[in-house]
Amino acid sequence: KQEVTQIPAALSVPEGENLVLNCSFTDSAIYNLQWFRQDPGKGLTSLLLIQSSQREQTSGRLNASLDKSSGRSTLYIAASQPGDSATYLCAVRRYNTDKLIFGTGTRLQVFP
Amino acid sequence: SQTIHQWPATLVQPVGSPLSLECTVEGTSNPNLYWYRQAAGRGLQLLFYSVGIGQISSEVPQNLSASRPQDRQFILSSKKLLLSDSGFYLCAWSGRVRETQYFGPGTRLLVL
Repeated sequence: KQEVTQIPAALSVPEGENLVLNCSFTDSAIYNLQWFRQDPGKGLTSLLLIQSSQREQTSGRLNASLDKSSGRSTLYIAASQPGDSATYLCAVRRYNTDKLIFGTGTRLQVFP
Repeated sequence: SQTIHQWPATLVQPVGSPLSLECTVEGTSNPNLYWYRQAAGRGLQLLFYSVGIGQISSEVPQNLSASRPQDRQFILSSKKLLLSDSGFYLCAWSGRVRETQYFGPGTRLLVL
């Protein structure tokens, strides 16, 4: 059974810091991995999707890496801003399935 | 562009009452559709998914049901709500190639 874990559960940093969010999964047979952002009381916004054959994806100040063999992904946020404050979720999809398995998220607060 | 709608945004219902949450997608055809629940302090749990009209797959046993009467409409229902049904319900869609899932704004349900 696939399990997805995110560490840390919560993180509070001053504005301008570079930070790393971690996601680990127990079954390396994944089709892709996706990072989402969720603002309080809102739906999820897709940030980055990494296919199993890829090592990383970048979008602006965000960079996501994937090490499938070790069951790990990281989301790197450069020069953090207060507007980055949100909960960040990772989710994996196995082959031949539509299902996403989500981690419990990292709640990030960036203070001015 | 594609848009996904959910209503109502918030709902307070007594135990034992019926439930009907609606999700509609615009700007795409033949989407895969999903219902998730996010309970307090827990990750997103997939409840139902559908690959076409009238085709529903259930992921967890519960007193909820789902229906897809039209291509871009997905409904979550219950005949009698339980206290444990409280949570944040999210609808999502993806294209047929099973890539990124796009989420709606969610419905917050409180069962009293």
